[in-house]
Amino acid sequence: GESVGLHLPTLSVQEGDNSIINCAYSNSASDYFIWYKQESGKGPQFIIDIRSNMDKRQGQRVTVLLNKTVKHLSLQIAATQPGDSAVYFCAENKSGYSTLTFGKGTMLLVSP
Amino acid sequence: NAGVMQNPRHLVRRRGQEARLRCSPMKGHSHVYWYRQLPEEGLKFMVYLQKENIIDESGMPKERFSAEFPKEGPSILRIQQVVRGDSAAYFCASSPPASHGEQFFGPGTRLTVL
Repeated sequence: GESVGLHLPTLSVQEGDNSIINCAYSNSASDYFIWYKQESGKGPQFIIDIRSNMDKRQGQRVTVLLNKTVKHLSLQIAATQPGDSAVYFCAENKSGYSTLTFGKGTMLLVSP
Repeated sequence: NAGVMQNPRHLVRRRGQEARLRCSPMKGHSHVYWYRQLPEEGLKFMVYLQKENIIDESGMPKERFSAEFPKEGPSILRIQQVVRGDSAAYFCASSPPASHGEQFFGPGTRLTVL
């Protein structure tokens, strides 16, 4: 069936390190992907998105990479800070569908 | 510009009671989505509404759950005769009419069924 999943449930890094969070998706028809950050007790917060006609997109300290060949998505966070500690979700949808399918999430723990 | 608002933030109900969750979308947004999140899990789509219309309710349980988004006022997610398995965080998201897919989420309502 269609699914969006994450390889690692928890990622622990030191402050200042670069973090990489991975996501696999199985629906080849998906053409839009979003990364959300969710802090404890709060709703998901948009980080960055990418369309399937791109393989890389950069934001402030974050980069999303899309590999359509292997259906893989990653989020790179440069110079990780304690404030980046949260659960990160990838989500996807298909053209013509407005609903998002979420993965289970990866907990990012940043220690000083 | 206020973000998506949800209330109450926390709701406690006993089994068999009704739960009503409210969501006010961002200004200018006419599309509303409801998602449910169980502990340590991702969000699961429930229903997608536009003003006075249910567009997609494929994620809604067939019984006890209903949703509406009236012409005036907030969107309501209603759960009748709640059971312990309904305990979860319920998130509302909204998007503008010409959205490319991005949805903006509210802070959620945490429902606890005793």
